Amino acid sequence: GENVEQHPSTLSVQEGDSAVIKCTYSDSASNYFPWYKQELGKGPQLIIDIRSNVGEKKDQRIAVTLNKTAKHFSLHITETQPEDSAVYFCAASFRDDKIIFGKGTRLHILP
Amino acid sequence: NAGVTQTPKFQVLKTGQSMTLQCAQDMNHEYMSWYRQDPGMGLRLIHYSVGAGITDQGEVPNGYNVSRSTTEDFPLRLLSAAPSQTSVYFCASRGQGRTEAFFGQGTRLTVV
Repeated sequence: GENVEQHPSTLSVQEGDSAVIKCTYSDSASNYFPWYKQELGKGPQLIIDIRSNVGEKKDQRIAVTLNKTAKHFSLHITETQPEDSAVYFCAASFRDDKIIFGKGTRLHILP
Repeated sequence: NAGVTQTPKFQVLKTGQSMTLQCAQDMNHEYMSWYRQDPGMGLRLIHYSVGAGITDQGEVPNGYNVSRSTTEDFPLRLLSAAPSQTSVYFCASRGQGRTEAFFGQGTRLTVV
């Protein structure tokens, strides 16, 4: 079945610096790649997504890149702020009905 | 607009007890899923459904049952609770076409 690997498991960056989280997926048929942010005590929320016919997508300080040949995709957060501290999940979907998640990255923004 | 509602928020069970975690959505979404979240393990798919009357197994289905009698509701049943089922459970729903998945607030379950 589909497998999604996510690295690193924990990431600490100085406020104002950039953060990068990387994921790889196993099923070449996957064609939808969302990223979710989970704050303490809450359910995950979608922050950005990308489809397989697009190489890069930006939304203000957040960007996602996709390399279909290598089967990996990355989340980039620039000018990090304290409110960016959270757990981030990448995911891949190869069918309409289910999404498989990575194990998550705990991002700490240091003052 | 309530979105995805899970009940209860917290539950403590004794080993061997059974219970049902409730999930309801008011967005008329076709797809609903149950995940469990454990430290270092991320979100693992338990069961999912593509519509009323249709369910399928995910990555970790053992010890759990689901049913989908209506579009709105997707309950998760623990048949005989075990300490290994101590976890935070999330229900999610989304519309057809790989759109955004909406998650509930989660149910924190402890089995003693």
